[in-house]
Amino acid sequence: SQTIHQWPATLVQPVGSPLSLECTVEGTSNPNLYWYRQAAGRGLQLLFYSVGIGQISSEVPQNLSASRPQDRQFILSSKKLLLSDSGFYLCAWSGDGATPDTQYFGPGTRLTVL
Amino acid sequence: SQQGEEDPQALSIQEGENATMNCSYKTSINNLQWYRQNSGRGLVHLILIRSNEREKHSGRLRVTLDTSKKSSSLLITASRAADTASYFCATGLNDYKLSFGAGTTVTVRA
Repeated sequence: SQTIHQWPATLVQPVGSPLSLECTVEGTSNPNLYWYRQAAGRGLQLLFYSVGIGQISSEVPQNLSASRPQDRQFILSSKKLLLSDSGFYLCAWSGDGATPDTQYFGPGTRLTVL
Repeated sequence: SQQGEEDPQALSIQEGENATMNCSYKTSINNLQWYRQNSGRGLVHLILIRSNEREKHSGRLRVTLDTSKKSSSLLITASRAADTASYFCATGLNDYKLSFGAGTTVTVRA
C-alpha cells in the first residue's frame, strides 16, 4: 500500500532563516506531487505541483521554491523565511491507477516563523 | 484562488443527528471531492463524484451534485463524536489540480 511521509512534524524558525521541508511517497511510481499551505482556520492554498522529476509548476509567486530530485521525493525550500510563511504545510500525491483524481495527504508540518 | 465555498462555516449538532453542508463553485468541473480534516492532521479523502453523476453514497455519507446550480451537498447521517472535524469540498478539472474551499467545521456533541 502507498504511504506518504512528511518531516519535520513541527518547526519553529526565526525570520530570515532558511527552510527545507521534505515529503516522500512509498508504494507508487511517477506520482503527481503537491505542496499546499493552510493558514489557521482556512482552506488549502496550492503552492507547487509536479508531474515528474524536475518538473515544477508554481501557483503562487512568493519566496518559496520546490524541487523534485527523485521520483517520489518533493522538497519545499526557502532561502529567507518571512513571518507570513507561518502555517500548516501539507504534501499530497495523486495518480493512483484506480483513483487517479484523488489526492492523498501527508500528516503535515506546522511551521512557526518568529 | 479558491473555487469552492462551503456553507455553513460551522455546524454544531447532537450525536445521532444528521449533518448537511453545501459547496458552491464557479466554473465547470470534471469532478468534485469531499475531504475530512481532524484538528492538526492531514486531509482524508471521503468521496468523489464526477460531473456526470448526480448522487453518490459511501457508508453514512451521501453526496449530491447539481451542475446546473454549480453546487454540491454532503450529508452525514447518524453522526458520531468521531465525525467532529472540518470538511472541505474540492473541485477538479483535467489538469491534476484541485481547488479547495475554506471548509465547514462540524462539532458533534455527545
